Amino acid sequence: ETGVTQTPRHLVMGMTNKKSLKCEQHLGHNAMYWYKQSAKKPLELMFVYNFKEQTENNSVPSRFSPECPNSSHLFLHLHTLQPEDSALYLCASSQRLGEKLFFGSGTQLSVL
Amino acid sequence: AQSVAQPEDQVNVAEGNPLTVKCTYSVSGNPYLFWYVQYPNRGLQFLLKYITGDNLVKGSYGFEAEFNKSQTSFHLKKPSALVSDSALYFCAVRDTNYGGSQGNLIFGKGTKLSVKP
Repeated sequence: ETGVTQTPRHLVMGMTNKKSLKCEQHLGHNAMYWYKQSAKKPLELMFVYNFKEQTENNSVPSRFSPECPNSSHLFLHLHTLQPEDSALYLCASSQRLGEKLFFGSGTQLSVL
Repeated sequence: AQSVAQPEDQVNVAEGNPLTVKCTYSVSGNPYLFWYVQYPNRGLQFLLKYITGDNLVKGSYGFEAEFNKSQTSFHLKKPSALVSDSALYFCAVRDTNYGGSQGNLIFGKGTKLSVKP
């Protein structure tokens, strides 16, 4: 166990649904991240939060909306997704930006 | 632009043989380099990192990586492969650009390592 927990592990949703992904860490880390992993492509950094403040939004479409209510929790709200959004969504945390990342097991998302 | 390249989609090795997974990087300034491993249905796990010091870095599970500044490479190695080493391996470099992205890790596309008995 890495100390980073993601729920749900699997999610199937239609293009008109609204769902949320949850990430939780109790490592005392100050930075949290959302990554998108698609087959044979580099991991795509989506969002970065440092001390609960968003520091990075890598041109992510507005149908993905992050939320960081405190330093231990990170959410990714999903709305009207497209089939090409199907991927593994990974949450990670680190003590400080740019340091060793601790990853959750991911949420495998399928958009029908 | 800062980037990481993993030129091989897949590496096949027989158990007991040495293995190498290649990584080259492009970054301004001194590189901070990382290797991560991903087992099936799991998130990525940290293996090792290079920041400064000895060019040969030792990490978890018997892996090591050699930093070569002149060739801008950071290849992952293991003297004797195990079937259980079969996984997806990612090289990453710390972004040194000033601005909002500074400090974030830039990942390669991953190399699938397959170790056969």
